[in-house]
Amino acid sequence: EVVLTQSPGSLSLSPGERATLSCRASQSVITTYLAWYQQKPGQAPRLLMKGTSIRAPGFPDRFSGSGSGTDFTLTISGLEPDDFAVYYCFYYGSAPWTFGQGTKVEIK
Amino acid sequence: QVQLQESGPGLVKPSQTLSLTCTVSGGTVDTGGHFWTWVRQRPGAGLEWIGYIYYTRSTHYNPSLESRVTISLDTSLNQVSLKLTSVSAADTALYFCTWGLDQWGPGTLVTVSS
Repeated sequence: EVVLTQSPGSLSLSPGERATLSCRASQSVITTYLAWYQQKPGQAPRLLMKGTSIRAPGFPDRFSGSGSGTDFTLTISGLEPDDFAVYYCFYYGSAPWTFGQGTKVEIK
Repeated sequence: QVQLQESGPGLVKPSQTLSLTCTVSGGTVDTGGHFWTWVRQRPGAGLEWIGYIYYTRSTHYNPSLESRVTISLDTSLNQVSLKLTSVSAADTALYFCTWGLDQWGPGTLVTVSS
């Protein structure tokens, strides 16, 4: 079973700053099956990235994903007010599928 | 575009069975290519994957819930169902159904309380 550990738990940044979110897997995973979700209060999660680095429709190119093996990163270059949310990594390459515990990106 | 709507009792008593349905529109539950999944979110907490079912009826569940959970398809009603037995307060959560990675219902809140 793959366990995903996200860090930091929360990030306090100002608009315009760069956010770097980490997701570490307990074992090497297949990049094809690593995704990221964005969740805002009162809403269902929204797929942000799949296949480690493929942005979902509707997300601008200030969002980028990278990584391989056990270490994955979501980078938001130049935070916009709409980007402040909770971000989850998710692995679905082998059952049981699993979410990281989330990183909250807050306005400083 | 597939749309999903979860429904079920908002309040369940401890030790009883939680039963939820996810009504699908814009597609059919026996469509291949993606998995029907249930995910839950306890109040103030992160996302927890409950399990999935494929159109072939193949299922896989979170080991922490496996002994209590059943996910099934009802093609006549075009619904995906979730049953969770012997519930406790720890099962109080917002329950989401999903199709593939990017189609989510709005979620339904279930409170376990006497």
